[in-house]
Amino acid sequence: DAGVTQSPTHLIKTRGQHVTLRCSPISGHKSVSWYQQVLGQGPQFIFQYYEKEERGRGNFPDRFSARQFPNYSSELNVNALLLGDSALYLCASSFDGQRNSPLHFGNGTRLTVT
Amino acid sequence: AQSVSQHNHHVILSEAASLELGCNYSYGGTVNLFWYVQYPGQHLQLLLKYFSGDPLVKGIKGFEAEFIKSKFSFNLRKPSVQWSDTAEYFCAAFTGGGNKLTFGTGTQLKVEL
Repeated sequence: DAGVTQSPTHLIKTRGQHVTLRCSPISGHKSVSWYQQVLGQGPQFIFQYYEKEERGRGNFPDRFSARQFPNYSSELNVNALLLGDSALYLCASSFDGQRNSPLHFGNGTRLTVT
Repeated sequence: AQSVSQHNHHVILSEAASLELGCNYSYGGTVNLFWYVQYPGQHLQLLLKYFSGDPLVKGIKGFEAEFIKSKFSFNLRKPSVQWSDTAEYFCAAFTGGGNKLTFGTGTQLKVEL
């Protein structure tokens, strides 16, 4: 079975631009979460979606948004990019987003903002 | 605010040395604790988890961790490390509802031959 897949793997953008990152969960998983991992730090929770509904949101500005599609894939959008948005963006999927549902992480998208 | 802290940011060991990585959490409610590993160029993988029961948890690849509630700690141990254990290790906790994870800052482990 395919694991969590993320695209693109690497991306370079300029300050002020917009970016869309994509995630396909493991087949059968209905929940997707997004994390930001800045160099030298642990991943930080951005969003969780379950059945197309937002289940949780971390402490990130409104420039960050996400959505989940009927096929359970997800997009993370970031507007008005700042240099500080440079990070590895991780997607994780689980069956139902509950505590007893293990999280499976993708390899991430490396975003560089110049 | 809930937090997870890891004391060692960089650890260098020789093969066959014993390993202990510290992790402390601050959260007054029910805590579910995890250790994840990230090998170079690979995705985060679950090493082990604690939900309830026996506070000594055994995971994959010979790793174990002990939950000590009175110390708010969940330290990771391995009796004898191998070169292939070179990786970054993250302690994490579910805090609050759902399976949202709060991660520590990570420990970069380098095992030398």
